Order: sequence, then structure tokens, then C-alpha cells
Amino acid sequence: DQQVKQNSPSLSVQEGRISILNCDYTNSMFDYFLWYKKYPAEGPTFLISISSIKDKNEDGRFTVFLNKSAKHLSLHIVPSQPGDSAVYFCAASRIQGAQKLVFGQGTRLTINP
Amino acid sequence: SQTIHQWPATLVQPVGSPLSLECTVEGTSNPNLYWYRQAAGRGLQLLFYSVGIGQISSEVPQNLSASRPQDRQFILSSKKLLLSDSGFYLCASYLGPWGTGELFFGEGSRLTVL
Repeated sequence: DQQVKQNSPSLSVQEGRISILNCDYTNSMFDYFLWYKKYPAEGPTFLISISSIKDKNEDGRFTVFLNKSAKHLSLHIVPSQPGDSAVYFCAASRIQGAQKLVFGQGTRLTINP
Repeated sequence: SQTIHQWPATLVQPVGSPLSLECTVEGTSNPNLYWYRQAAGRGLQLLFYSVGIGQISSEVPQNLSASRPQDRQFILSSKKLLLSDSGFYLCASYLGPWGTGELFFGEGSRLTVL
């Protein structure tokens, strides 16, 4: 049972344009959502998060949008840069509890010069 | 700042051999600790988590076990490896504050079972 889904395994975007990565979840108990970035042979690094009381959180070039009714979140990167090429994972958890993150399958983002 | 050390970084083991992956955390005390695995072409799957010394919770039935002998040490083990145990194993620590933080990951250990 995949509770967090990233249906696009890969995405290719031109440098300078907007990258939009999508994520869907099924468990309505999730109330905290995160995006991680991962380079090959390295551990994931935290990018940005959002709690369920918000619908948008922005940090520099990165913005996360949350649509609770649709159980959908997205990560916008603008403008996209070559260094943004990586695998992006969305994750969800419950604020109460042991902070167990449930991850999606990941989306490989490639920024073309 | 927090640091997570994982070793070995790379391991090639025959089927049926034992396994021990170690994780130590610096820069924090009494952390929640986690073992995740990334299998080829798949996402990150939570295997075990621990909220304290000797306290281990297993998320999925499998051929692996975990132990936490010290506050900042987390060990992943197997008595007999299977081919399906191959993957990239990640140790993580919860940064807090409670309910609003994120997990901090180590660099990972790549296991290939032949």
C-alpha cells in the first residue's frame, strides 16, 4: 500500500524555467509534509516542509503547495538551475508520534542547459 | 550541528553471510534513530526506528534486525543475507523540535548481495 506516490519517475526542464514536481498521498492522518533532494550515493538532504495548517511555504527558489482536499502537494523550483538536477522525494508524517516519514518513489529531475 | 557516521560505505557480501551496518550520531543526545532502505528503482522504505536505548520498532517483516546498544549508536544486522537485501541503507536522526522538524540522513551504506 503506497501511501505517498510520485507518479512521474523523471522530469526534464530547461535551465531558467520552472520545475514542478508532484506528489499525492492517501492517508488523511498525515499532517506534515517534506521534500528531500538526493544525489547519487549520498543521503537525502532536507529542502522544505509544510504543515497541514498552511497551503503554501516558500524558501528562496523553492515553494511547496499543499491541497489537502485533493491530498496533493507540489514543489516548484524557479528558476531551475543545473545544480538542481537530482532525485526529489516527497515525504509525509504525523506531527504526533515517532516522526516516521513515509516517502514517495522519487522523481529524477534533469535541468538542461 | 549534527553528524551521522555510517560504515562501511560499501559492502559486497555473498548470499547467506551475516551483516552488520553501524551508525553513530554526534552533536545530539537521546535522538530518535531510523534505518531506511532504498532498493533499486524504488523509494525510501522505513525498516526500523528507535526512540531510546534498547527500544526497537520494526516496520516491515524481513530478514533484518536492529539494535541500539548506546544512545547514539544504531546497528542493522542480518544472520543470513538474501539477494533481496541488496540496496542503499540510510541511517537517520530526528532533528526536532518535536513535531516540526525533519530527519537528518547519513551518507548511506551500499550493500550488494551476490
